[in-house]
Amino acid sequence: GEDVEQSLFLSVREGDSSVINCTYTDSSSTYLYWYKQEPGAGLQLLTYIFSNMDMKQDQRLTVLLNKKDKHLSLRIADTQTGDSAIYFCAESGSNYQLIWGAGTKLIIKP
Amino acid sequence: KAGVTQTPRYLIKTRGQQVTLSCSPISGHRSVSWYQQTPGQGLQFLFEYFSETQRNKGNFPGRFSGRQFSNSRSEMNVSTLELGDSALYLCASSFGQGVPGEQYFGPGTRLTVT
Repeated sequence: GEDVEQSLFLSVREGDSSVINCTYTDSSSTYLYWYKQEPGAGLQLLTYIFSNMDMKQDQRLTVLLNKKDKHLSLRIADTQTGDSAIYFCAESGSNYQLIWGAGTKLIIKP
Repeated sequence: KAGVTQTPRYLIKTRGQQVTLSCSPISGHRSVSWYQQTPGQGLQFLFEYFSETQRNKGNFPGRFSGRQFSNSRSEMNVSTLELGDSALYLCASSFGQGVPGEQYFGPGTRLTVT
């Protein structure tokens, strides 16, 4: 079946860029998403990319999509302590059944 | 605009009992999706309701059911609780059209089954 994989942890220094990676298996995915979950809070949609796009930029966030390799990445520029959270990659077709990765915990070192 | 609210926030039940969780979506949203989040299985899609009809369903047993009311509020029911049902249950609301993942999540209901 469909699967989405992510590394469980990423540690970066404050001020550096963070790159969180994700691979997926469903070639018919239409949308790919990045969500953020802070401790004790629900999930928050950060950004999404349509499958016919290669890149999307939104302020400090850059999403890159390599459809051939089924690889998605989220780059956070100038990482701050407030970026500490778990980042989930998810994909969907046109229906509402999202398939989720396990989440990458971003740890910020001072 | 008020966010998605879920009640109760915490719940402790015994094996074999049943439980009902409630979700109130953002005003104007007609779609409500439910997810189960556990450390072992991560986030898994349960089902989605749109205009009082179940539109999508994940791979969960029939013990998990839901419904949506005319005001878009939704309830999820789990019967004959098992220890493995202990999880954070999240609901998310959206307009129900357009980008499926443009969902707004509630804080979740933490269910513990003993």
